[in-house]
Amino acid sequence: EVQLVQSGAEVKKPGESLKISCKDSGYSFTTYGIGWVRQMPGKGLEWMGIIYPGDSDTRYSPSFQGQVTISADKSINTAYLQWSSLKASDTAMYYCAKPSGGSWSYFAFWGQGTLVTVSS
Amino acid sequence: SYVLTQPPSVSVAPGKTARITCGGDNLGSKSVHWYQQKPGQAPVLVIYYDSDRPSGIPERFSGSNSGNTATLTISRVEAGDEADYYCQVRDSSSDHLYVFGTGTKVTVL
Repeated sequence: EVQLVQSGAEVKKPGESLKISCKDSGYSFTTYGIGWVRQMPGKGLEWMGIIYPGDSDTRYSPSFQGQVTISADKSINTAYLQWSSLKASDTAMYYCAKPSGGSWSYFAFWGQGTLVTVSS
Repeated sequence: SYVLTQPPSVSVAPGKTARITCGGDNLGSKSVHWYQQKPGQAPVLVIYYDSDRPSGIPERFSGSNSGNTATLTISRVEAGDEADYYCQVRDSSSDHLYVFGTGTKVTVL
């Protein structure tokens, strides 16, 4: 059974850096990608990007390119999402999700979410 | 980028049928997936490849996709079906690889 466990809630100030994690305790971490999805308060789901840990190939949504960095550590089956300088508008719930199916077209498994609050 | 449009809200009485639409250009040529999200919880996949149900999802949930519209149908609606529902496609022709719909709040009256 695939299980994605995310790091805990964070409260940060504008300008601070942050790295949140998603540990995959299921199958084939290096075969399937791990994607990240943002949900701002009261809003819908937005795909941010995806990493394929096998070869570290990373794709970003144009909306998030340059705003965040996605990485992975194959040795501990963990993917990361990081910011170098947070803004108040980064306040949101962030989910990691594992794609499945042909061309990995849908997200069958989701983490529990990490709430990031950025406030002065 | 590809846009998926859903009605903001759908209201339905218990025991009745709820239909949630998802509109997109030539959507019938793509595979559509649906997620249910209850308050304070992560999304859950309820339909994949237009009409397939993951194990554990009740048969009351079904899907279809044709033309410019995909539809998620919830039959014999229960109070526990009250949630936000999102459609999603993978658009390999775009840098926006995964596109989610705008979301629909289903209210059980």
